[in-house]
Amino acid sequence: DIVMTQSPSSLAVSAGETVTINCKSSQSLLSSGNQKNYLAWYQQKPGQSPKLLIYLASTRESGVPDRFIGSGSGTDFTLTISSVQAEDLADYYCQQHYSYPDTFGAGTKLELK
Amino acid sequence: QVQLQQSGAELAKPGSSVKISCKASGYTFTSYYISWIKQTTGQGLEYIGYINTGSGGTNYNEKFKGKATLTVDKSSSTAFMQLSSLTPDDSAVYYCAGELGWFAYWGQGTLVTVSS
Repeated sequence: DIVMTQSPSSLAVSAGETVTINCKSSQSLLSSGNQKNYLAWYQQKPGQSPKLLIYLASTRESGVPDRFIGSGSGTDFTLTISSVQAEDLADYYCQQHYSYPDTFGAGTKLELK
Repeated sequence: QVQLQQSGAELAKPGSSVKISCKASGYTFTSYYISWIKQTTGQGLEYIGYINTGSGGTNYNEKFKGKATLTVDKSSSTAFMQLSSLTPDDSAVYYCAGELGWFAYWGQGTLVTVSS
């Protein structure tokens, strides 16, 4: 199985800051056929289900604010949240669907400083 | 709008089975495969497997073979997951999700607690 390693595991931020969450896969997630990276990002608030933010590494899901930006290719990926707002405090997970079974990172908890 | 409505919390005894449902609405049921995901505090998010809502074909994560059985009832737009031979390690929140490779839509989750 592909191992997804997220860092940091937690992050304390102030409103208005820009934060970066990293996700590294044990194998490349880049398809040679279509040059797409099979990596998604999710946000999970306490007591709620995960919510899709980004798919194919950098495509923002409909309705997701443009302060959420996904980037990266191959084995190294980043979720950047610019000008963090109080409503962004949550857990964030990356997921690969390049190789079965799909696997998730362990998560990054975004907390208020 | 797309909704996946899961059945309620379950309290089960070790060695027993539970069957969780996931009723879809707001879209053509066969447009998405339905996947199932386990979430625990210790192990995080684990992918269990998926069911092709059109054909009923299934694919399981090796770790969950023999533990989970996925079925579908197209007539009611409902997917099911049965968990058998329950142990305390099966205590978790279980989600169904509409899959396009990524998980575009999620149910609200079903808490399964295994305790004697």
